[in-house]
Amino acid sequence: DGGITQSPKYLFRKEGQNVTLSCEQNLNHDAMYWYRQDPGQGLRLIYYSQIVNDFQKGDIAEGYSVSREKKESFPLTVTSAQKNPTAFYLCASRKGQGSGEQYFGPGTRLTVT
Amino acid sequence: SQQGEEDPQALSIQEGENATMNCSYKTSINNLQWYRQNSGRGLVHLILIRSNEREKHSGRLRVTLDTSKKSSSLLITASRAADTASYFCATYPSYGGSQGNLIFGKGTKLSVKP
Repeated sequence: DGGITQSPKYLFRKEGQNVTLSCEQNLNHDAMYWYRQDPGQGLRLIYYSQIVNDFQKGDIAEGYSVSREKKESFPLTVTSAQKNPTAFYLCASRKGQGSGEQYFGPGTRLTVT
Repeated sequence: SQQGEEDPQALSIQEGENATMNCSYKTSINNLQWYRQNSGRGLVHLILIRSNEREKHSGRLRVTLDTSKKSSSLLITASRAADTASYFCATYPSYGGSQGNLIFGKGTKLSVKP
């Protein structure tokens, strides 16, 4: 079964702690993305990676970091510098270059108290 | 920055009725895509329409694109309770080239009552 997995589905952390969200894909897609979704809102781009060992900041990268050491994996770290980290986080991938459809994982809901 | 704006924000209809959602955007685009999101889940791609296309069909879905008005509409015919979800339009701006990224609107929340 090909697809994108995100784990865990729910994550709870105390303020001041860094937390890493997992995203794995077995679609052999080159590009991967991290989005943040707040209630009643659309998706905002945090970071994206077009190829292994390369990634770019999106619209709201402050307080987040990523790595892309393997094609299949694109983990997102929410650092203590992120002012309002509680949100729903979605990972996506896209095949090759161009402007085609994106495939999304099931999301991780992060709650920081 | 959000490129697309869906209208209405929420729509409630009876099963069997048609549902129409609209999307407006600001810049020239390469293509426009519609996605569906069930509550608390990831997004699922529904349909992509290129800037040189005016209408596209997929099953009970019909999408139109008017680049002169920078707008698109998604029509779901003969709706079912299972169509209850949020629907998002997303655009690939033409200025981004192959490195461009999708820009999402805020979505229309559709509720289909049995």
